[in-house]
Amino acid sequence: GQNIDQPTEMTATEGAIVQINCTYQTSGFNGLFWYQQHAGEAPTFLSYNVLDGLEEKGRFSSFLSRSKGYSYLLLKELQMKDSASYLCAPLDSNYQLIWGAGTKLIIKP
Amino acid sequence: GAVVSQHPSRVICKSGTSVKIECRSLDFQATTMFWYRQFPKKSLMLMATSNEGSKATYEQGVEKDKFLINHASLTLSTLTVTSAHPEDSSFYICSAWIAEGYNEQFFGPGTRLTVL
Repeated sequence: GQNIDQPTEMTATEGAIVQINCTYQTSGFNGLFWYQQHAGEAPTFLSYNVLDGLEEKGRFSSFLSRSKGYSYLLLKELQMKDSASYLCAPLDSNYQLIWGAGTKLIIKP
Repeated sequence: GAVVSQHPSRVICKSGTSVKIECRSLDFQATTMFWYRQFPKKSLMLMATSNEGSKATYEQGVEKDKFLINHASLTLSTLTVTSAHPEDSSFYICSAWIAEGYNEQFFGPGTRLTVL
């Protein structure tokens, strides 16, 4: 079956760094997306990895290891507005996004 | 980036009525649009995949006669919730997919449906 595993909730301090891990099992693989979702809003795109390695984009970086079925999202210099849910979503062989429940990130001053 | 709009953003209706939600790609043509629903604190659930000019493909457990999807053009897909009931209250989100090498789905802002 298809499965996404992320921590349910994480807490971090403003200005710090946090890493959100994701392991996945899918039928085929066509890359992996990370989305940010604030309560009551639709997801917004953060990153896309299709090859192994680290993709850096400003304060956010995303890493992928296809052989391990593993990805992480690294957030640096945390700001209060980063409080949101972070969704790891791999793309399966049918180009469908597979969604988990996401990780709720709480930022404290 | 590509923009997808949804209308209405919020709708409250009485039980038994039908509600239509529109999803438009504003600055690109979307060969495929997806409809999701999301319950509070839950993950997105794919309801159906809609291709322009053909019938939508519904996920297992989604009633096609209740959730009517029409993808009439490359920029517009509509979801009609027929004979809505309180259990249909949810957050409905559409996304549009550009084919030809793009793997990213562009999401609309979502529609909050409340059925009284």
